[in-house]
Amino acid sequence: DTAVSQTPKYLVTQMGNDKSIKCEQNLGHDTMYWYKQDSKKFLKIMFSYNNKELIINETVPNRFSPKSPDKAHLNLHINSLELGDSAVYFCASSPPGVLGAKNIQYFGAGTRLSVL
Amino acid sequence: GQQVMQIPQYQHVQEGEDFTTYCNSSTTLSNIQWYKQRPGGHPVFLIQLVKSGEVKKQKRLTFQFGEAKKNSSLHITATQTTDVGTYFCAGRITTDSWGKLQFGAGTQVVVTP
Repeated sequence: DTAVSQTPKYLVTQMGNDKSIKCEQNLGHDTMYWYKQDSKKFLKIMFSYNNKELIINETVPNRFSPKSPDKAHLNLHINSLELGDSAVYFCASSPPGVLGAKNIQYFGAGTRLSVL
Repeated sequence: GQQVMQIPQYQHVQEGEDFTTYCNSSTTLSNIQWYKQRPGGHPVFLIQLVKSGEVKKQKRLTFQFGEAKKNSSLHITATQTTDVGTYFCAGRITTDSWGKLQFGAGTQVVVTP
């Protein structure tokens, strides 16, 4: 009954492979996000979807492709993985409603990606 | 470039001591949030400040939002080992209609008994 759940929790793969990370939230939120956290703990937003529509698309290589089949799910597919993609990827969601509450991020447990 | 700066990057604290982490923005913020990430964990929302000069307390944690809404601070008194983790501030840039948060780089806190 985890609120924001990501799978897999750990992902170890070879350079050049393609992999996907899945995220689901059961909070009834309408906005979902992908963040990348590097080894220095810096959190950088990658994408955001609101009701299945892409609203934030930061400067991210086009090897990264998000997909939101419905507002409760946001997946991230990565093509041709590179060493620099190694990081922790966090999914998050935020509720609808007034602007203040709308911003609060509820994070998943993260997916630790290691590219060898 | 990064619009929300956070200092210090690292903080070593003796148990029982106080410390403060600071967050500064180059632009006016509509609100600021603070999150805590325990080692190996995920960021967890602590608090949100909206009003100019606002001060909020959570037990030993005191959060402040500057008068100009460009800076914020988190002060922890009588640090405990449970305070270990990385504290992030995250500000919403006023002009950003979709409410994108700009996270600071975080302050990694280590507490020695």
